[in-house]
Amino acid sequence: DTAVSQTPKYLVTQMGNDKSIKCEQNLGHDTMYWYKQDSKKFLKIMFSYNNKELIINETVPNRFSPKSPDKAHLNLHINSLELGDSAVYFCASGDSSYEQYFGPGTRLTVT
Amino acid sequence: QKEVEQNSGPLSVPEGAIASLNCTYSDRVSQSFFWYRQYSGKSPELIMSIYSNGDKEDGRFTAQLNKASQYVSLLIRDSQPSDSATYLCAALNNDMRFGAGTRLTVKP
Repeated sequence: DTAVSQTPKYLVTQMGNDKSIKCEQNLGHDTMYWYKQDSKKFLKIMFSYNNKELIINETVPNRFSPKSPDKAHLNLHINSLELGDSAVYFCASGDSSYEQYFGPGTRLTVT
Repeated sequence: QKEVEQNSGPLSVPEGAIASLNCTYSDRVSQSFFWYRQYSGKSPELIMSIYSNGDKEDGRFTAQLNKASQYVSLLIRDSQPSDSATYLCAALNNDMRFGAGTRLTVKP
């Protein structure tokens, strides 16, 4: 069974559109994260959720909004997509030791 | 100053050699440190975590932490071509900060 899954794997869309990426974990972890990895492969945290509460909110544009319907899911919604949003987005989940386990990633291309 | 710094490489070692990957961090409050391996086009995969000064061994991998020097390293013994990947160092304070990664190539 896949521990952390994301859908879709690839997402190609036009500027100005709104899109969502879904993430699910079956590890029973309390905390889930969203990361952005840019073209230079630099991995940067965007959000984390612990028991449905946002506990870290990096200085990302408010066009990005995480939504967690339950402990096993953390979705990322992006409004008014821009060219600079093109990147690979990784979902991760973590345990109490802060070890994090990543999903396969979603490659977002904005044209 | 970047919070977590790594030599971007590429670091090239022959098969069977020891690969040494280094990382420094700027935030003295950081308490937990992690090494991830990322193959091209894949997601980061946790290799090891280390929380105390000294060495921690797991199979062919040894992580070393020196908090006084704000230095973390990863040694890979008996390097294999399958170890060729980018290795990411991460430090945890309030959130996880990753280095830019070191690309390792193990030549047969």
